[in-house]
Amino acid sequence: EPEVTQTPSHQVTQMGQEVILRCVPISNHLYFYWYRQILGQKVEFLVSFYNNEISEKSEIFDDQFSVERPDGSNFTLKIRSTKLEDSAMYFCASSPPNPNTEAFFGQGTRLTVV
Amino acid sequence: GQQVMQIPQYQHVQEGEDFTTYCNSSTTLSNIQWYKQRPGGHPVFLIQLVKSGEVKKQKRLTFQFGEAKKNSSLHITATQTTDVGTYFCAGRLGQNFVFGPGTRLSVLP
Repeated sequence: EPEVTQTPSHQVTQMGQEVILRCVPISNHLYFYWYRQILGQKVEFLVSFYNNEISEKSEIFDDQFSVERPDGSNFTLKIRSTKLEDSAMYFCASSPPNPNTEAFFGQGTRLTVV
Repeated sequence: GQQVMQIPQYQHVQEGEDFTTYCNSSTTLSNIQWYKQRPGGHPVFLIQLVKSGEVKKQKRLTFQFGEAKKNSSLHITATQTTDVGTYFCAGRLGQNFVFGPGTRLSVLP
């Protein structure tokens, strides 16, 4: 069964460093998302991406964040100058062209900023 | 902005008891989805409701979508220990899924 894959599964970084979280969405999907979940809290929308551009973003997704689809398979989230409060589980998701379908989530990358 | 609320935040039940979580949106939704997240896991899709007043069943789970398409509920009959996890509703607004805060279900054997 096709699945969304994320790497790494766990990333530890020093405060102020830049990190890149990687995702490989399901191959025929066209909509891509990043969500984050601070430990024990709800899943928060960060950004959606379609047709090689950001379609929507939340207030959380400020200039510290950027997304890119550098080739036909990868979808990355870059976090510049990480802060302690960026520590969270980051989920990538993708969905097919039909708007009435679910999002398929990856296993997540646990980011720990120390 | 778009707000999706869920109650209760936590629910502890004895195995065999029923469980219900409620989801409310501040705006009308094009559809609503329910996800389950096991402890340490990622959200896994359960079901999608699209039509006003729609009711769907999956074994012991019953999902409802309100007439105004602003609220939804998930009811589990005769809970089992395998039902443990956090249940999230997610409202579809445009291309964005807005998740509720989730209801964490604990089932005591």
